[in-house]
Amino acid sequence: AQSVTQPDIHITVSEGASLELRCNYSYGATPYLFWYVQSPGQGLQLLLKYFSGDTLVQGIKGFEAEFKRSQSSFNLRKPSVHWSDAAEYFCAVGAMNTDKLIFGTGTRLQVFP
Amino acid sequence: DVKVTQSSRYLVKRTGEKVFLECVQDMDHENMFWYRQDPGLGLRLIYFSYDVKMKEKGDIPEGYSVSREKKERFSLILESASTNQTSMYLCASSPSSGGTYEQYFGPGTRLTVT
Repeated sequence: AQSVTQPDIHITVSEGASLELRCNYSYGATPYLFWYVQSPGQGLQLLLKYFSGDTLVQGIKGFEAEFKRSQSSFNLRKPSVHWSDAAEYFCAVGAMNTDKLIFGTGTRLQVFP
Repeated sequence: DVKVTQSSRYLVKRTGEKVFLECVQDMDHENMFWYRQDPGLGLRLIYFSYDVKMKEKGDIPEGYSVSREKKERFSLILESASTNQTSMYLCASSPSSGGTYEQYFGPGTRLTVT
């Protein structure tokens, strides 16, 4: 069965530090992969997506993610975190042959000044 | 810009009440979704609609029903609210695309059942 795992429930970083949020997926073919961000009390906003081609994908707000088929991973990175990046981050994979998305359980990012 | 709106940001209801959560999208999307979000559990799909009057159960449909009479509007109904339905409810929409398009989310409704 398709699934998405975000192994880190909660991550704390200092402002200006680099960030990597992990995402592993289980999928039988080339996946469609997404990263969303949810600021407190808000809905989800798309950060970036991968369908095919270049495995390093650039998104909004200075985020990028790298698709690694051999590791079934799609980790989200940012070289220098800002206090406004404090939020919850969700990785998702497009379910095969449908328009549904399968979401991970999320990683909450806390940023210290 | 795609806009998905939800009728209430916060809602407090009593046990046993019938509750309606409304969602409207303005981009003529075929698909609409209702999710429930709980800490540590991520987003869980309650129901999915791929066309007017067409619906499909998600992972946790028990205790919920839906209605889609018009393409732009998708309603979630709690027939008899219970305290275990206290949660954040998120609505989303997307074009019909074989899974290649992202979903666009509303701001959410935080429902408390007392």
